[in-house]
Amino acid sequence: AQTVTQSQPEMSVQEAETVTLSCTYDTSESDYYLFWYKQPPSRQMILVIRQEAYKQQNATENRFSVNFQKAAKSFSLKISDSQLGDAAMYFCAYRSPYSGGGADGLTFGKGTHLIIQP
Amino acid sequence: NAGVTQTPKFRVLKTGQSMTLLCAQDMNHEYMYWYRQDPGMGLRLIHYSVGEGTTAKGEVPDGYNVSRLKKQNFLLGLESAAPSQTSVYFCASSYPPGKEQFFGPGTRLTVL
Repeated sequence: AQTVTQSQPEMSVQEAETVTLSCTYDTSESDYYLFWYKQPPSRQMILVIRQEAYKQQNATENRFSVNFQKAAKSFSLKISDSQLGDAAMYFCAYRSPYSGGGADGLTFGKGTHLIIQP
Repeated sequence: NAGVTQTPKFRVLKTGQSMTLLCAQDMNHEYMYWYRQDPGMGLRLIHYSVGEGTTAKGEVPDGYNVSRLKKQNFLLGLESAAPSQTSVYFCASSYPPGKEQFFGPGTRLTVL
């Protein structure tokens, strides 16, 4: 079974600064999908960014980008120009390319609580 | 489009009572999922469905049952609630499976 580890329970950053959230995963599969989800106090799960393992190019979405290191099994999220609205729990998640045996669901890390200081 | 909706948003049960959580999606997605989120934890997969009439177990299925009689609906049942089932429950849907999962707003369930 795959595991996802987020080693930073909490991070704090000044508004307008850049912050990087760490995520590592363990898998024996060669192709898979990785996601970062944001969960603000409203509890809603919101997709931030998605990466397909076969793509070498790092995904970007406006101020959000990832550093995907396949050999190191690392998938970090960089938030540039941090804004107050970025304050939330951030979850890293893994999805197998296969179906069956629960592989269709997402495996989540425990999350990182991001605090934005004005 | 409403996306993914969940009913109810909050519920308090006594130990041994039963209830059903309803998830509905209007995106014509084939795949639907039920997760639970406990404090300090990420979401964990309870059950899922890859199409109408199909269901399968996830990581933490004990104590729950599910049904997918219609493509747009996915029901999660607790036959005899236990305090250990106090949690926030999320429904999600996706199609195709490698794409993002769209989540509902969650249901906070407390079992006394």
